Amino acid sequence: GAVVSQHPSWVICKSGTSVKIECRSLDFQATTMFWYRQFPKQSLMLMATSNEGSKATYEQGVEKDKFLINHASLTLSTLTVTSAHPEDSSFYICSARARSYNEQFFGPGTRLTVL
Amino acid sequence: AQSVTQLDSQVPVFEEAPVELRCNYSSSVSVYLFWYVQYPNQGLQLLLKYLSGSTLVKGINGFEAEFNKSQTSFHLRKPSVHISDTAEYFCAVSDLQIYNQGGKLIFGQGTELSVKP
Repeated sequence: GAVVSQHPSWVICKSGTSVKIECRSLDFQATTMFWYRQFPKQSLMLMATSNEGSKATYEQGVEKDKFLINHASLTLSTLTVTSAHPEDSSFYICSARARSYNEQFFGPGTRLTVL
Repeated sequence: AQSVTQLDSQVPVFEEAPVELRCNYSSSVSVYLFWYVQYPNQGLQLLLKYLSGSTLVKGINGFEAEFNKSQTSFHLRKPSVHISDTAEYFCAVSDLQIYNQGGKLIFGQGTELSVKP
């Protein structure tokens, strides 16, 4: 199947700093990418949907100024957590989908710890 | 809007025993249904999906699920589990029309399957 990578796989940062997470589709062009957040022992909560070349659509309750999403190309989307705080610590997972595929392919996730 | 309920948060089972993980959904429109598996500190891997056709869907690793429209269920089954099946399992639903346009999945709360020797 199609492969989606995320970088970094884990990151530790100080409170107040910004962190960028990359999501890449390695062998297909992703017309749509999704960003999820997962707390321990909980389900995936969709944060936003991004289509290449257009602004991301954020779910209700997600601060768009805090979680900046850029889908600049058909193989790359980035999530920037700005001015991170300890409550932003979580597991962030992206998924990608091509128009020709009827499924989403998930990345391995990024563990963010804010001290 | 759609919603998904996974009826069991944890399912402990002995190795080589059969298992069923339950999933019920709610929707006023036609849906697609999915089961994903997540191993610790990893992303999600698709086990199987129901889009149309036969209501009995076979997936990877010996898993299968049956779509029951009248009961709005999509339970996951495996006749004989292995230690390696220990993981978190998520049921997901999507509005058929929205999904075909690139839309989102709605996930259930997850079921932790623990296979003991």
